[in-house]
Amino acid sequence: KNQVEQSPQSLIILEGKNCTLQCNYTVSPFSNLRWYKQDTGRGPVSLTIMTFSENTKSNGRYTATLDADTKQSSLHITASQLSDSASYICVPSNFGNEKLTFGTGTRLTIIP
Amino acid sequence: ETGVTQSPTHLIKTRGQQVTLRCSSQSGHNTVSWYQQALGQGPQFIFQYYREEENGRGNFPPRFSGLQFPNYSSELNVNALELDDSALYLCASSPERESYGYTFGSGTRLTVV
Repeated sequence: KNQVEQSPQSLIILEGKNCTLQCNYTVSPFSNLRWYKQDTGRGPVSLTIMTFSENTKSNGRYTATLDADTKQSSLHITASQLSDSASYICVPSNFGNEKLTFGTGTRLTIIP
Repeated sequence: ETGVTQSPTHLIKTRGQQVTLRCSSQSGHNTVSWYQQALGQGPQFIFQYYREEENGRGNFPPRFSGLQFPNYSSELNVNALELDDSALYLCASSPERESYGYTFGSGTRLTVV
C-alpha cells in the first residue's frame, strides 16, 4: 500500500528562523514528487515538483531535496515569514496517474 | 491566463438535500479532478473528467456524481447529503489526464447540518 509519512506533524518556530520538514514515502512506481503549501481553507499551491532524477530544487526561500533511493524528501524553509504559516504536504506520484495521494502534511506556525 | 475558479465559496445544506458545486478550469486545461478534504486531513480523490468523460474514480459512493461540459468546466453533484460530507471540496484542472500539471482552485466549503 502506498504511504506517505511526514514529520513533524506540527511545528512552531520564530519568524526569521529556518526549518526543515521531512517526508518518507513508499509509493511505487515512483516518478515525481511535489511539495504543496496549503493555507487553511484554501486550495493547495505547488511549491516544487521534482522528477526521480533530480536531487534538489529551489523556489525562492523554499528548497526541496529528494533521495529516490531511500525514498526520502525534505523541504527547507529559509528566513521564515509569518505568511509561511500553513500546512505543507509532500505528494509522491507516478507519471500517468490521474490522481494524487495526499498525506496529512506538517502544520507550520510562524510566531513573531 | 485565468486560474481555476470554484463557486460558491461557502455553502450550508441540510442533511438529505442535494448540492451542486461548480468549477471553471484554467485556460488550456481539458481535465478536471475533484477532491474532498475533511478538516485536518489531506485531500481525497473523488473522480476525474477528461474531455467530458469520467476518467478514474476514488472510493466514493454513487451519490457523488459529476459532469464536464464542452468548455471543460465541471460540476460535482452530491445527493442525499450526510453530515460527514461536510468538507472543503477542491477542483484541480490539468492540461491532460496526468496529474503532473495540476492547478487547484480555492475550494468550496460545504457544511451539512
